[in-house]
Amino acid sequence: TQLLEQSPQFLSIQEGENLTVYCNSSSVFSSLQWYRQEPGEGPVLLVTVVTGGEVKKLKRLTFQFGDARKDSSLHITAAQPGDTGLYLCADPPANAGGTSYGKLTFGQGTILTVHP
Amino acid sequence: GAGVSQSPRYKVAKRGQDVALRCDPISGHVSLFWYQQALGQGPEFLTYFQNEAQLDKSGLPSDRFFAERPEGSVSTLKIQRTQQEDSAVYLCASSLWLRGPGQGPGGYTFGSGTRLTVV
Repeated sequence: TQLLEQSPQFLSIQEGENLTVYCNSSSVFSSLQWYRQEPGEGPVLLVTVVTGGEVKKLKRLTFQFGDARKDSSLHITAAQPGDTGLYLCADPPANAGGTSYGKLTFGQGTILTVHP
Repeated sequence: GAGVSQSPRYKVAKRGQDVALRCDPISGHVSLFWYQQALGQGPEFLTYFQNEAQLDKSGLPSDRFFAERPEGSVSTLKIQRTQQEDSAVYLCASSLWLRGPGQGPGGYTFGSGTRLTVV
């Protein structure tokens, strides 16, 4: 099972600041997903990145997949209090051979607090 | 319903008590997963069902944990003789797809979880 390391573990910032969180592994990802989890709720999928070097944007969120597919980052521009939550990266299993069924391995997450 | 429904939302159990946690997946979803999430940590896989078949229970931490999905829809996670280390949020997720949460529109949908506190 691949281990995913996320950093930082905690991040507390003021509204309007920019931030970046990271997800790293010693192994190559076949693909990588980012989730956001608000208190008292389940994780919600933000994005899936598949190709090395891929960049995806979702409003103020920019997701990047490393060229070697061993790391990923999430950058938030002009953070807002509504961005507060636990940000998780997850590694879906490779689908080669068609035997995988979607069990996710999650990182430990980054707890983001954005103060008004 | 439109989403994955879990009940109860909160459960306080005395150590040694048995508990049952329920998951109502989205209608028609083939795949159903249970995860355990400790406070401030990422979810950890417990078990997987494809329709009524439990294809993977490798994440269940002990034989006190048991899950079933007898008719391929509602699932129940049962914990016998609860211990303090069982305190966590138990998340259920369902997917229309057999393989890969990213393989179809929406991928996984998670429920809001059941927060279990063992005292």
